[in-house]
Amino acid sequence: GQQLNQSPQSMFIQEGEDVSMNCTSSSIFNTWLWYKQDPGEGPVLLIALYKAGELTSNGRLTAQFGITRKDSFLNISASIPSDVGIYFCAGHLTGANNLFFGTGTRLTVIP
Amino acid sequence: ETGVTQTPRHLVMGMTNKKSLKCEQHLGHNAMYWYKQSAKKPLELMFVYNFKEQTENNSVPSRFSPECPNSSHLFLHLHTLQPEDSALYLCASSQRQGYEKLFFGSGTQLSVL
Repeated sequence: GQQLNQSPQSMFIQEGEDVSMNCTSSSIFNTWLWYKQDPGEGPVLLIALYKAGELTSNGRLTAQFGITRKDSFLNISASIPSDVGIYFCAGHLTGANNLFFGTGTRLTVIP
Repeated sequence: ETGVTQTPRHLVMGMTNKKSLKCEQHLGHNAMYWYKQSAKKPLELMFVYNFKEQTENNSVPSRFSPECPNSSHLFLHLHTLQPEDSALYLCASSQRQGYEKLFFGSGTQLSVL
């Protein structure tokens, strides 16, 4: 199956700092999605991207669909303690049956 | 009421037990999924049901047996599991298979002793 690599695997940041993480694939996708998983919960969809170069925001979160269609980026501005969790990217090809998920970036925010 | 509800939240079972996981979605979706989440691994797709028909079995051992009586309910029947089957089992739904937006339940944390 497709391999999606997320970087970094984990991050420890101070409250108030900005965060950047990325996801790369060996194949192109038509849709990129970002999910967040809180401790003890299932993943929740944060942002969906549908076009190369697209930049979409959801509050303090901003995600971009890479120009090559093989990568995507997620930024979180002015982090707060409730940003703690695991962030997953996922790629989808039009017509494909299923999503491909990345390995996740685990974020810890130190108050 | 949350969109996708899973029960139980936690389950501890012996290797000889038989248990079932339950998932219910209130979103009017037609596709339902079982995923396995182990530490430091990507989410592993196990089974997919689209309009109540099983469309994917991702080489899952037969000790895991899914059941989808209708588009709103999904079960995972477990028997003679192994310790390495301990993981978080997540149910998800989408409008139909192939639609990219998945909605997940909170999962069942399974421990096999």
